[in-house]
Amino acid sequence: QKEVEQNSGPLSVPEGAIASLNCTYSDRGSQSFFWYRQYSGKSPELIMSIYSNGDKEDGRFTAQLNKASQYVSLLIRDSQPSDSATYLCAVYNYGQNFVFGPGTRLSVLP
Amino acid sequence: DTEVTQTPKHLVMGMTNKKSLKCEQHMGHRAMYWYKQKAKKPPELMFVYSYEKLSINESVPSRFSPECPNSSLLNLHLHALQPEDSALYLCASSLRGQGDNQPQHFGDGTRLSIL
Repeated sequence: QKEVEQNSGPLSVPEGAIASLNCTYSDRGSQSFFWYRQYSGKSPELIMSIYSNGDKEDGRFTAQLNKASQYVSLLIRDSQPSDSATYLCAVYNYGQNFVFGPGTRLSVLP
Repeated sequence: DTEVTQTPKHLVMGMTNKKSLKCEQHMGHRAMYWYKQKAKKPPELMFVYSYEKLSINESVPSRFSPECPNSSLLNLHLHALQPEDSALYLCASSLRGQGDNQPQHFGDGTRLSIL
């Protein structure tokens, strides 16, 4: 059973702080990694894709991938109340399907 | 607004009704997906169409029947649903499908309530 794990939260951070969201996966052959943001009652929205080890930055978001440790993270700098949402980690292996983690609920406190 | 369009946004139906959910994308994607999502849970894969052929059916009950008339359209036909089928139904698309490491793009979903 291929698994993707995330802390369910809620993770509470003050406005302006760095929010750190973590994801581990069991399938060592996984190749592609995605972070989605989902507001309550809305659909998942793609934030970041990462395919190789290291960091990838896009605005206030940085994704970090360590395939040896089977670990992917998302950092949100200068967190805003509008970042309050559930963040889903999704992992893909060739010929398989996306496997979603359970999501981490982030709350950014004004 | 997303580039994957789902209709209707909300649907209330009785257990004896027949209804359909619709999904459309014009991004040239060749893979389309149906997911079911319950509150506080991640999306759960139901069906995958790749190049208009059903490639995965994740043991979904026969009261859900997918249809892919062409590469831009995806339908989900509903019949004799149960109250536990009440959920958010999400359509997604990606460039190619299995063997495709590109992200999936989701529509806004249909909120389905079974009375």
